Amino acid sequence: KAGVTQTPRYLIKTRGQQVTLSCSPISGHRSVSWYQQTPGQGLQFLFEYFSETQRNKGNFPGRFSGRQFSNSRSEMNVSTLELGDSALYLCASSLSSDKKLFFGSGTQLSVL
Amino acid sequence: QKEVEQNSGPLSVPEGAIASLNCTYSDRVSQSFFWYRQYSGKSPELIMSIYSNGDKEDGRFTAQLNKASQYVSLLIRDSQPSDSATYLCAVNRDSGYALNFGKGTSLLVTP
Repeated sequence: KAGVTQTPRYLIKTRGQQVTLSCSPISGHRSVSWYQQTPGQGLQFLFEYFSETQRNKGNFPGRFSGRQFSNSRSEMNVSTLELGDSALYLCASSLSSDKKLFFGSGTQLSVL
Repeated sequence: QKEVEQNSGPLSVPEGAIASLNCTYSDRVSQSFFWYRQYSGKSPELIMSIYSNGDKEDGRFTAQLNKASQYVSLLIRDSQPSDSATYLCAVNRDSGYALNFGKGTSLLVTP
């Protein structure tokens, strides 16, 4: 069974640009969550989608947005990039109410 | 802000010893608790989950939960150099699937 797939693996952008990251969950998983990981702040929750609906949102500015499609694939978008947005963005999917998250390999975003 | 606190370490233990990793959380209504292992340059990998008070064992790993003290721990028996990694404690945020993570404890197992 394929794991969580995130694309692209690496991304370099400049300040002010926007970026879209993609995540394909494990087959059958309907919940997709996004996390930002930085050395200083650790893993921070961005948002969670279930059946195309945003069910939960973390404490990030409106520049960070996401969506989920009917096939459970998800995208997240960051507009007007800032230097501080440089981070590893991790997508995780979950199957059931046991809340176990399975992470993709992440997208390493560098903002110059 | 609901917090999950871990000692950043590094925690250094000799090969074959027991490594003890600890975590406290602030939200009393949390019901689900997890330990993830993250190797350098890799994504977090789930190694243990625990939902009720007491101990849960899986191979060399034992998770311990004390909800009254809001405390979760992970014991690694017969530690191996391959266990050297950062261990992340995670607690559910609410009724959904989102988790609050601690910043992790770095474990170094020396041969």
